[in-house]
Amino acid sequence: GENVEQHPSTLSVQEGDSAVIKCTYSDSASNYFPWYKQELGKRPQLIIDIRSNVGEKKDQRIAVTLNKTAKHFSLHITETQPEDSAVYFCAASILQGQGAQKLVFGQGTRLTINP
Amino acid sequence: SAVISQKPSRDICQRGTSLTIQCQVDSQVTMMFWYRQQPGQSLTLIATANQGSEATYESGFVIDKFPISRPNLTFSTLTVSNMSPEDSSIYLCSALGRGDTDTQYFGPGTRLTVL
Repeated sequence: GENVEQHPSTLSVQEGDSAVIKCTYSDSASNYFPWYKQELGKRPQLIIDIRSNVGEKKDQRIAVTLNKTAKHFSLHITETQPEDSAVYFCAASILQGQGAQKLVFGQGTRLTINP
Repeated sequence: SAVISQKPSRDICQRGTSLTIQCQVDSQVTMMFWYRQQPGQSLTLIATANQGSEATYESGFVIDKFPISRPNLTFSTLTVSNMSPEDSSIYLCSALGRGDTDTQYFGPGTRLTVL
């Protein structure tokens, strides 16, 4: 069935350094890949997404890269700050009937930024 | 983006009882979804709430246990029936943003504890 693998499960970096989280997916028909940030006790918040027709997208300190051939995509956070500490989830779209899409989520990465 | 609210935000229930969770979106949306997030875990899709027809359930979830209603394009309910302690979790609804075919926005979640 559809599967999204996310690594690492925990990541600790020094403030100002970069953080990279990687995901692989199984369904070659997936064409939409969002990343969500979830702070403790809060709802998941979309931080960036990428569609299969582009290989990279950047928004200030956050970037996502996509390799469709290898079926993997990555989140890059540069110049990390304490407020970046949270759990990050990747997801991949799966086509349902009648053109509707659902998301399958990775297991999550707990990112800790050390001051 | 869509603004999504849920009621109740949390509840403590006795085993064997049922709880209905409400999800309200501030604009008409095509797709609404219900997820479960167990403590420290990822998001697992329970079902897609279809307007005017029966919900589409994922493997491992059945209508008798998680009946869903979607009477219009802005509202949905999820009932957790005949609850057991294993149903203790956070239940989240989500919706596609207006005019968006991919991006899902999440409600704040309902934290359910079953004693």
